Amino acid sequence: QKEVEQDPGPLSVPEGAIVSLNCTYSNSAFQYFMWYRQYSRKGPELLMYTYSSGNKEDGRFTAQVDKSSKYISLFIRDSQPSDSATYLCAMRGPGYSTLTFGKGTMLLVSP
Amino acid sequence: DVKVTQSSRYLVKRTGEKVFLECVQDMDHENMFWYRQDPGLGLRLIYFSYDVKMKEKGDIPEGYSVSREKKERFSLILESASTNQTSMYLCASSPGGEGADTQYFGPGTRLTVL
Repeated sequence: QKEVEQDPGPLSVPEGAIVSLNCTYSNSAFQYFMWYRQYSRKGPELLMYTYSSGNKEDGRFTAQVDKSSKYISLFIRDSQPSDSATYLCAMRGPGYSTLTFGKGTMLLVSP
Repeated sequence: DVKVTQSSRYLVKRTGEKVFLECVQDMDHENMFWYRQDPGLGLRLIYFSYDVKMKEKGDIPEGYSVSREKKERFSLILESASTNQTSMYLCASSPGGEGADTQYFGPGTRLTVL
């Protein structure tokens, strides 16, 4: 079983839709969870950061962590064509030096 | 503004050549990382460094080496390039301590080995 699973997509939605992106993981030690966004031919950039369980909201973006199910989500409200990108989840346990990344989900938002 | 730069956006090399990929960050970050990104395989960590002259192997260090002589610069070396090292190479840096998870990535170098 891979440590982090993420559907590669592509996920195609119309502008204005609510988007749900998800990752599942197997390592119960993970406590720090991140979402990175990567536009085509660019490096990833940090979008959201959460510690342990719960929700975090930032504008149109909400990150949700369910440690009991080992499941994290990123919700995008009122999606825009400019949200079209690959979204990578990443996570880490305490004392770990490095992040474990998912393979990324490609999102396409059509006008 | 945070800045990680990589020496080349595109690079074409021949099998057996020695290849240097350079990464520079201007944020005084402690940690620096080299990844490769391939379709279907995602981001894979090659090497990282948490201090000058320190290095740690990542998940796929074979065929690569690194050098960090100055805090701001982290170099990836392919001693003898092979076609299976054709990939997108991404450098990242992060602060130490509480900010360590916030990795700032460079734009990437697309390396083709013929």
